[in-house]
Amino acid sequence: GAVVSQHPSRVICKSGTSVKIECRSLDFQATTMFWYRQFPKKSLMLMATSNEGSKATYEQGVEKDKFLINHASLTLSTLTVTSAHPEDSSFYICSAHLAGGSAYEQYFGPGTRLTVT
Amino acid sequence: KQEVTQIPAALSVPEGENLVLNCSFTDSAIYNLQWFRQDPGKGLTSLLLIQSSQREQTSGRLNASLDKSSGRSTLYIAASQPGDSATYLCAVSNFGNEKLTFGTGTRLTIIP
Repeated sequence: GAVVSQHPSRVICKSGTSVKIECRSLDFQATTMFWYRQFPKKSLMLMATSNEGSKATYEQGVEKDKFLINHASLTLSTLTVTSAHPEDSSFYICSAHLAGGSAYEQYFGPGTRLTVT
Repeated sequence: KQEVTQIPAALSVPEGENLVLNCSFTDSAIYNLQWFRQDPGKGLTSLLLIQSSQREQTSGRLNASLDKSSGRSTLYIAASQPGDSATYLCAVSNFGNEKLTFGTGTRLTIIP
């Protein structure tokens, strides 16, 4: 149980375009999802906390207008990278907190590799 | 602000050896600490979770210890195997905050 999926697993887009990444909790409901980015050989950095039915909370230094987050249901959160640039190329990982579960246990998706050319 | 550091950044050991990975954190008011494994280009696999009230957790060949007062955790891997080669990340959550702060990771290579 507690499986989180991400789609797509890999995406290549041209500079200036937007790309949407989906994060789904497959067999549980998630009131809270988290979005991380990871640069090569670096650790995970939290970008934002996504709460179902409300606005996302962004970490300091993360542009909310560039990284649009929508958590429309208890099983789906989306991250849209708008007007992507090569420096946005990264590995994006989401995690989901099981509603009613341990307050601090998160389940991670397999990640999405974004390459902006 | 919580900061998590892992030493060493990379480690290579012959197959069969026991090894220890280290994790340190600056703010001891943690709720729990987790160890994850990440294979290249992949997501995270949770290995062990230690609550702040616990001192260690074991799963198979893995044993994680926690010394909250000194801000340290270790991950002990017994009888290492080539399949253990991966990057190991520790992460902590603080009380009143669901956010995880990740360490810098240790890239482990087991030499057959």
